[in-house]
Amino acid sequence: DTGVSQDPRHKITKRGQNVTFRCDPISEHNRLYWYRQTLGQGPEFLTYFQNEAQLEKSRLLSDRFSAERPKGSFSTLEIQRTEQGDSAMYLCASSRLAGSQDTQYFGPGTRLTVL
Amino acid sequence: DQQVKQNSPSLSVQEGRISILNCDYTNSMFDYFLWYKKYPAEGPTFLISISSIKDKNEDGRFTVFLNKSAKHLSLHIVPSQPGDSAVYFCAAGYGQNFVFGPGTRLSVLP
Repeated sequence: DTGVSQDPRHKITKRGQNVTFRCDPISEHNRLYWYRQTLGQGPEFLTYFQNEAQLEKSRLLSDRFSAERPKGSFSTLEIQRTEQGDSAMYLCASSRLAGSQDTQYFGPGTRLTVL
Repeated sequence: DQQVKQNSPSLSVQEGRISILNCDYTNSMFDYFLWYKKYPAEGPTFLISISSIKDKNEDGRFTVFLNKSAKHLSLHIVPSQPGDSAVYFCAAGYGQNFVFGPGTRLSVLP
């Protein structure tokens, strides 16, 4: 399977702990996105990489959140000092810009539960 | 302020009939629109897209219509099948900026 993969699929943690999620995009895709989705809502944009450069960050991405894509391939999203409000599905998507249009392909997500 | 709205949280349709899912947007800078389908415990799956230079795009049972003057798009599924039961998200974007609607849950009844 050459789709977007995410690890872990589920994470349960206690408030105050740090967590890290990994995303492996489709191999020829140079763009990588992180989204957060809560119940009853669509995915909300968090941040975006083109190759290894982080080009945009949402206001939703507080100082406790950091994302990296060190070699322009896989990416990690770390949440420090987790809070109960961080409980959500964290989705990764990748794309390869074709002309002016950018179709994003999503991974299965990591469901985070903060107790 | 919701830039992309899907005003019907849910829709039920009989198998074999047409499903019509609607989406409205407010930002006139959006020039690319996509529909995704999501099953429980999975990520959204890309279905179909349309550029603002077109008013219709068709792919098998799925057709997306775009009315730029009304800032409205719709997804038609004909004929609807039980396997189409899922949550459908509309997304609108320009460049790398994308905004998703809250989704419509479609139930196709056998």
